Amino acid sequence: DSGVTQTPKHLITATGQRVTLRCSPRSGDLSVYWYQQSLDQGLQFLIQYYNGEERAKGNILERFSAQQFPDLHSELNLSSLELGDSALYFCASSWDADNEQFFGPGTRLTVL
Amino acid sequence: GENVEQHPSTLSVQEGDSAVIKCTYSDSASNYFPWYKQELGKGPQLIIDIRSNVGEKKDQRIAVTLNKTAKHFSLHITETQPEDSAVYFCAASRSGNTPLVFGKGTRLSVIA
Repeated sequence: DSGVTQTPKHLITATGQRVTLRCSPRSGDLSVYWYQQSLDQGLQFLIQYYNGEERAKGNILERFSAQQFPDLHSELNLSSLELGDSALYFCASSWDADNEQFFGPGTRLTVL
Repeated sequence: GENVEQHPSTLSVQEGDSAVIKCTYSDSASNYFPWYKQELGKGPQLIIDIRSNVGEKKDQRIAVTLNKTAKHFSLHITETQPEDSAVYFCAASRSGNTPLVFGKGTRLSVIA
């Protein structure tokens, strides 16, 4: 158990819908990262927050957004969902941007 | 940007034999190289990492070597056991606020 929690574990929804994925980092960790894992693209970095501020942005679609709250938990919002958005979404946390990243168990999103 | 290549994509070994997975990276400024193990239905688990000021690091049956000149690093698992069967990912990043760039993964099967 890495200490990073993610909810929900599974999510099934329809095209065009909007969903919110939630992540709670390890106690004391200030940085949260979101990654998408699909069969053909592997693990792809989406976005990073550090102590509430956006720190880095990767291959995140404009339909996706995220935020980190004062209690340091983070939410990833996916809207106008398409079939191709079906994937595993992982959250990772670290104490600082230069420290080891620990991953949560992931949320499996299925878009029908 | 950084690009990480990982080989082989699949690897089968007999229990007790050694396994070696190799990765190359493109960004000479990268200086942090972690390895993750992902079991079915779980998030990636950090198993070992190495920074650029070190050429080798060992933790029990697992070791990582780094050749900065050639820009490649390798994971070595000795005395493999069935519970080592999983997908292994290498990654690279610069220090600071740049997130991890992952290889495509290696599916290791240890045959009893």
